[in-house]
Amino acid sequence: AQKITQTQPGMFVQEKEAVTLDCTYDTSDPSYGLFWYKQPSSGEMIFLIYQGSYDQQNATEGRYSLNFQKARKSANLVISASQLGDSAMYFCAMREGGFNKFYFGSGTKLNVKP
Amino acid sequence: AAGVIQSPRHLIKEKRETATLKCYPIPRHDTVYWYQQGPGQDPQFLISFYEKMQSDKGSIPDRFSAQQFSDYHSELNMSSLELGDSALYFCASSLGTPEEQYFGPGTRLTVT
Repeated sequence: AQKITQTQPGMFVQEKEAVTLDCTYDTSDPSYGLFWYKQPSSGEMIFLIYQGSYDQQNATEGRYSLNFQKARKSANLVISASQLGDSAMYFCAMREGGFNKFYFGSGTKLNVKP
Repeated sequence: AAGVIQSPRHLIKEKRETATLKCYPIPRHDTVYWYQQGPGQDPQFLISFYEKMQSDKGSIPDRFSAQQFSDYHSELNMSSLELGDSALYFCASSLGTPEEQYFGPGTRLTVT
């Protein structure tokens, strides 16, 4: 079974609007971490936000927030006030337990329209 | 702030040759990860090292080996290269149990 599922291969959003990128995960480990990364066309991987499985609050980092719904095993990324520079591929990833091994989803390509 | 350094940034090799990729983690980071990202694919975890010991292993072919040295830099050695090894190879580093994992710029390997 896929550990990380991103069901939106591509999305469009109007500049200045908010957008939600979906991510669901599969694990039986009670301890895990969820990550979102941005990969622009230039290729680098940029860390955006982290949510721990025991964190009570949803993580936020500037315009990025993570909508963590533990019972539904979802960790959606919300980008508020989209900017043209947000156009990129976005990957959701998970680390289980104390392991140093990451699982990535297939990514969502976000296009921000002016 | 210092970032993860990878060298070389680009590498062209022929089939059956060998390649060595180097990674210098962020200072004081004790964990290094290697990933392979094929064209249009998500990053696939290859292997990780914590305090110079292999920590976890992913889908790393037997033709590949890696190690982390006393100065915490890491090298990924790839032998008997195949066309399918053409990919972007990322190194990432973190400190302890990672709540943040920082990626290097990647090495683009092309096998002809």
